[in-house]
Amino acid sequence: AQKVTQAQTEISVVEKEDVTLDCVYETRDTTYYLFWYKQPPSGELVFLIRRNSFDEQNEISGRYSWNFQKSTSSFNFTITASQVVDSAVYFCALSETTGGGADGLTFGKGTHLIIQP
Amino acid sequence: DGGITQSPKYLFRKEGQNVTLSCEQNLNHDAMYWYRQDPGQGLRLIYYSQIVNDFQKGDIAEGYSVSREKKESFPLTVTSAQKNPTAFYLCASSIDDSYNEQFFGPGTRLTVL
Repeated sequence: AQKVTQAQTEISVVEKEDVTLDCVYETRDTTYYLFWYKQPPSGELVFLIRRNSFDEQNEISGRYSWNFQKSTSSFNFTITASQVVDSAVYFCALSETTGGGADGLTFGKGTHLIIQP
Repeated sequence: DGGITQSPKYLFRKEGQNVTLSCEQNLNHDAMYWYRQDPGQGLRLIYYSQIVNDFQKGDIAEGYSVSREKKESFPLTVTSAQKNPTAFYLCASSIDDSYNEQFFGPGTRLTVL
């Protein structure tokens, strides 16, 4: 069984603050993929990052950074100097390889991030 | 422009009626997916298809049906057997499997009256 937990239901910060969104996952596979998606109020999910289980290097993309730690089964997402446009629901998701990659993603329940001006 | 289109954006249905949600992609992707999203919840997989004329049940397939007669189209029918169909439905596609980035459509919000 696979499971993704995003314990933070909602986070509210003031603009320009840094904020970290937590993601903890469970899987028996040694090979798997982790994703982060952003869902703005329009509803359409926007892909942010994909990481495979063999690549534990942290990644930075502009104000966004991701910290992948297999030892704690976590894949956390940090936004530096947050902006109002970052307000959205953020989902962490997992894809295992035992299903041949064809069985879709398992999503966490999402974290609603509110950036106040 | 390449992408995924879903129609309609909003859909109202009376209890006991079947309704079909459209999903079309022009990305030349092999794999397509249907997810359901309820308020405060993550997305849950309804059905997926890796190739034309083949599809598999996801975690919550009961009360739903799909077809994949063309590579670019993956319509979802919400049948009267679905006990709680009011939700936001999202269609997605990926090049060949869920290891790769999935591209999502804008979604259809279904309300049962």
